[in-house]
Amino acid sequence: EPEVTQTPSHQVTQMGQEVILRCVPISNHLYFYWYRQILGQKVEFLVSFYNNEISEKSEIFDDQFSVERPDGSNFTLKIRSTKLEDSAMYFCASRAGQGRREKLFFGSGTQLSVL
Amino acid sequence: AQSVAQPEDQVNVAEGNPLTVKCTYSVSGNPYLFWYVQYPNRGLQFLLKYITGDNLVKGSYGFEAEFNKSQTSFHLKKPSALVSDSALYFCAVRDEGNAGNMLTFGGGTRLMVKP
Repeated sequence: EPEVTQTPSHQVTQMGQEVILRCVPISNHLYFYWYRQILGQKVEFLVSFYNNEISEKSEIFDDQFSVERPDGSNFTLKIRSTKLEDSAMYFCASRAGQGRREKLFFGSGTQLSVL
Repeated sequence: AQSVAQPEDQVNVAEGNPLTVKCTYSVSGNPYLFWYVQYPNRGLQFLLKYITGDNLVKGSYGFEAEFNKSQTSFHLKKPSALVSDSALYFCAVRDEGNAGNMLTFGGGTRLMVKP
């Protein structure tokens, strides 16, 4: 089965530093997402991206966050100035269609640790 | 608004016994319902979905779920549990009319299957 790939698997950074989390969605997919999971807590929606623009974002996704699909294959999440509370597992996801074909594929995640 | 509740943090069952993991949802329109499983240090894997049609949905690894509109529930079931089914299970919902197509996840239920 096709996979969503994420790099790196682990990222350690200092508070205030910028980080970029990278994702390669499944090639024919059109809808892209970032979710995060703080240790021991629920999976939270961050942002959805379709047709080269953000279609929806949560209150977590503030001005410090941005997403980009720079080259038609990669999908990145940038955190401009990391905070301790940004420490979490970040999941990228993608899907092809809606309705009956709707199925979200998740990557294995990037564990971000902000020190 | 859309929301999901998984009332049990953990479900314990003996191998070979039937299992049920509970999920209730709330949406303003028609629900699209999903179950995902997460193994340690892995991403979320799709198990099954309900979009429309038969209320009993069959998915991967012998799991099934029953959509009950009157009780706004979508409980996950398996007739005979395996030790390898031990994992974290997430129910998710999105409102059919949700323009951004974001999924809202429940808090997760840890399934422990004992030999």
